[in-house]
Amino acid sequence: GQQLNQSPQSMFIQEGEDVSMNCTSSSIFNTWLWYKQDPGEGPVLLIALYKAGELTSNGRLTAQFGITRKDSFLNISASIPSDVGIYFCAGRLIAGGGADGLTFGKGTHLIIQP
Amino acid sequence: DTAVSQTPKYLVTQMGNDKSIKCEQNLGHDTMYWYKQDSKKFLKIMFSYNNKELIINETVPNRFSPKSPDKAHLNLHINSLELGDSAVYFCASSPGTGNEQYFGPGTRLTVT
Repeated sequence: GQQLNQSPQSMFIQEGEDVSMNCTSSSIFNTWLWYKQDPGEGPVLLIALYKAGELTSNGRLTAQFGITRKDSFLNISASIPSDVGIYFCAGRLIAGGGADGLTFGKGTHLIIQP
Repeated sequence: DTAVSQTPKYLVTQMGNDKSIKCEQNLGHDTMYWYKQDSKKFLKIMFSYNNKELIINETVPNRFSPKSPDKAHLNLHINSLELGDSAVYFCASSPGTGNEQYFGPGTRLTVT
């Protein structure tokens, strides 16, 4: 199946630092979504992107849909302790089998050191 | 509260048993999904239902059978459970195909 390459796999940062993570693919996606998952919970939608080049913010979070439609990034500014968790990118293919389900990246584990 | 809910939250059972996980959404969404998250946290789509019709089935063993009595419910029945079925199963819903999906809290299935 299609794969999303999400990086970095994990991040150890200091509180107050900015965070950046991204997803890339060899396939073209028409939707990019960013989710956060806390331990024992389901993924929670953070930002949805539908157009190439689209830049969308949600509080301290900013995400962009790459111009090539093959990548997306998520930035978190001035990280706080509650930002800890696993961040997933997810994409929906323009064409191809199983196009209505999301393809997920493997996640970025964000750990904040006090 | 409007949400996607799943029961049970935890399910521990022995190999060979048959079990079901229930999912309900009161968001008025047309499409519901089942995902499996493995021990490495990788999420993979299993099934999708749109208006009570199955529209994808991503190479899931036929021991897994989704059942949708109405568009607000999508249950997952698993026959002859195997050790490898141990995982967290998430239900999700979306307003239509191609829209953002909203996830339930998950069901942690442990097969012993």
